[in-house]
Amino acid sequence: EAQVTQNPRYLITVTGKKLTVTCSQNMNHEYMSWYRQDPGLGLRQIYYSMNVEVTDKGDVPEGYKVSRKEKRNFPLILESPSPNQTSLYFCASRYRTSGLTDTQYFGPGTRLTVL
Amino acid sequence: QKEVEQNSGPLSVPEGAIASLNCTYSDRGSQSFFWYRQYSGKSPELIMFIYSNGDKEDGRFTAQLNKASQYVSLLIRDSQPSDSATYLCAGNQAGTALIFGKGTTLSVSS
Repeated sequence: EAQVTQNPRYLITVTGKKLTVTCSQNMNHEYMSWYRQDPGLGLRQIYYSMNVEVTDKGDVPEGYKVSRKEKRNFPLILESPSPNQTSLYFCASRYRTSGLTDTQYFGPGTRLTVL
Repeated sequence: QKEVEQNSGPLSVPEGAIASLNCTYSDRGSQSFFWYRQYSGKSPELIMFIYSNGDKEDGRFTAQLNKASQYVSLLIRDSQPSDSATYLCAGNQAGTALIFGKGTTLSVSS
């Protein structure tokens, strides 16, 4: 079954304690992204990756890091989380061909609370 | 600031009616668009991808793109209570970045 998985699904942590949210896809997609979703602000892209070792900033990259060492995995790292990073996070995996075909699938989400 | 705008709603329609959801965008460079459906607390589900001017149909859903007027719409025919959700429009910027609208909440009453 084609899917995007994220772990953990729920996390409560404290300010400053480094954490990693993992994301994995089994569709061999080149493109992957991280989003956060906040009430009233909608979905905002944090980082995206076009392939292994190729990443770029989205709209709200401050306070986040990513890495793409393998095609299937795209972890999101919060080195020193702060309360304003409390949010619902989604990983997404995307397949495109010359703009004519484009599909992006989202993972189930990770609800993060930073106290 | 490149934006994708949607009326937040709620848009209320009776069961069996046509629901019409609209989206406007500011970036003339945006070439293609997505429509997603999101139930409360769940992840967005892909409904449609459209890149050409005109209509694209998939089952009860029809997406319409008008690049000259910079709007995208989604029609849902024979609306069902299970269609009650938030609908997200997203535009492709140059490269691979997607800009999402804040979504329109649809309520279908039985």
